[in-house]
Amino acid sequence: AQSVTQLGSHVSVSEGALVLLRCNYSSSVPPYLFWYVQYPNQGLQLLLKYTSAATLVKGINGFEAEFKKSETSFHLTKPSAHMSDAAEYFCAVSPPVFGNEKLTFGTGTRLTIIP
Amino acid sequence: KAGVTQTPRYLIKTRGQQVTLSCSPISGHRSVSWYQQTPGQGLQFLFEYFSETQRNKGNFPGRFSGRQFSNSRSEMNVSTLELGDSALYLCASSSTTGVGTGELFFGEGSRLTVL
Repeated sequence: AQSVTQLGSHVSVSEGALVLLRCNYSSSVPPYLFWYVQYPNQGLQLLLKYTSAATLVKGINGFEAEFKKSETSFHLTKPSAHMSDAAEYFCAVSPPVFGNEKLTFGTGTRLTIIP
Repeated sequence: KAGVTQTPRYLIKTRGQQVTLSCSPISGHRSVSWYQQTPGQGLQFLFEYFSETQRNKGNFPGRFSGRQFSNSRSEMNVSTLELGDSALYLCASSSTTGVGTGELFFGEGSRLTVL
């Protein structure tokens, strides 16, 4: 079974500071990994995904993540936080298997931006 | 291109009643998944349909059911509602062109409150 662990249910950073949201995965085979963002009263939006190509993945809104197999990590970063980044972020994993659209999500990290 | 549309957005039911939620996927998407989101359990996978067939199922009781129509629209039904069924129910669609990509496009959700 696959799983992801997000370290820190709440993270606060100052506007302009580095954003680092942590995600570690558990999987017997190299998985697909994703970061989604959820703004209040909205659904989830895909930020970026890793599907066994480049290990450094760039997403929308200036976010990026690096797949590190040796550390089983897929941490999300952004060099400079903006007020509009305040939201909840979810890391997710799926097996790279045909016909499997099932994602297993982490428990989420709520990001607060301090003006 | 229109996004994933879920109806109704909000609804209130009482224990013992049943509810039907509807989801219209992005045009051309043939896979529709349903997730339950609660503060305590986070995002949990309910089921996924592809070409009118249930392809994946999560660990929910039989009171939770779904179906998909020939136009890819999907409905989920919860019978004999319990207080614990209060949640945001999210629908997501995917194009599923081959190997599962896991790139899900989410609707804004249907918020169910059970009294």
